[in-house]
Amino acid sequence: GENVEQHPSTLSVQEGDSAVIKCTYSDSASNYFPWYKQELGKGPQLIIDIRSNVGEKKDQRIAVTLNKTAKHFSLHITETQPEDSAVYFCAASNVNGNQFYFGTGTSLTVIP
Amino acid sequence: DVKVTQSSRYLVKRTGEKVFLECVQDMDHENMFWYRQDPGLGLRLIYFSYDVKMKEKGDIPEGYSVSREKKERFSLILESASTNQTSMYLCASRPHDRVYGYTFGSGTRLTVV
Repeated sequence: GENVEQHPSTLSVQEGDSAVIKCTYSDSASNYFPWYKQELGKGPQLIIDIRSNVGEKKDQRIAVTLNKTAKHFSLHITETQPEDSAVYFCAASNVNGNQFYFGTGTSLTVIP
Repeated sequence: DVKVTQSSRYLVKRTGEKVFLECVQDMDHENMFWYRQDPGLGLRLIYFSYDVKMKEKGDIPEGYSVSREKKERFSLILESASTNQTSMYLCASRPHDRVYGYTFGSGTRLTVV
């Protein structure tokens, strides 16, 4: 089955700096890659996603890049703010979406 | 907005008890999922369901069962709770034809003592 690895497990940045979280996957059939943000006491919420026919996608301060050849994808947050502090999960799925394979999460702390 | 509601935020149960975790979604989604979340392990799929009365095992189904008698409700059952089932349980749903419509509930933190 698919194996998704996520790094780093914890990340601290100063407010205004950028944060980058990286994930690798093993199954070349995976073609959908969502990113979820989980705030304390809440369930994960989708913040951005990318499909395998696209190399990059951006939504305001958040961007995701995908390298299909190397089987890795990354989340980039620019101009970080304290409210960006949360746990972030990457995931990989095939076109059926019957099962998402999640990374182990990155705890991001933005220091004011 | 899609709403996925889990009936309890916190539960404390005794070893050997039968435990029911309930999940309800209000957007007529066909697919529903149960995950458990543990530190350092991420989210692992326990069971999922394509439709009413249908169920499929995920990666870690041992010790669990599920029930889907109505489209909007997906129940996770711990037949005989054990301490290693202490965890955060997350329910999710999505429409059958939209992989990217995956929505999670807020989770149930279960402690088995």
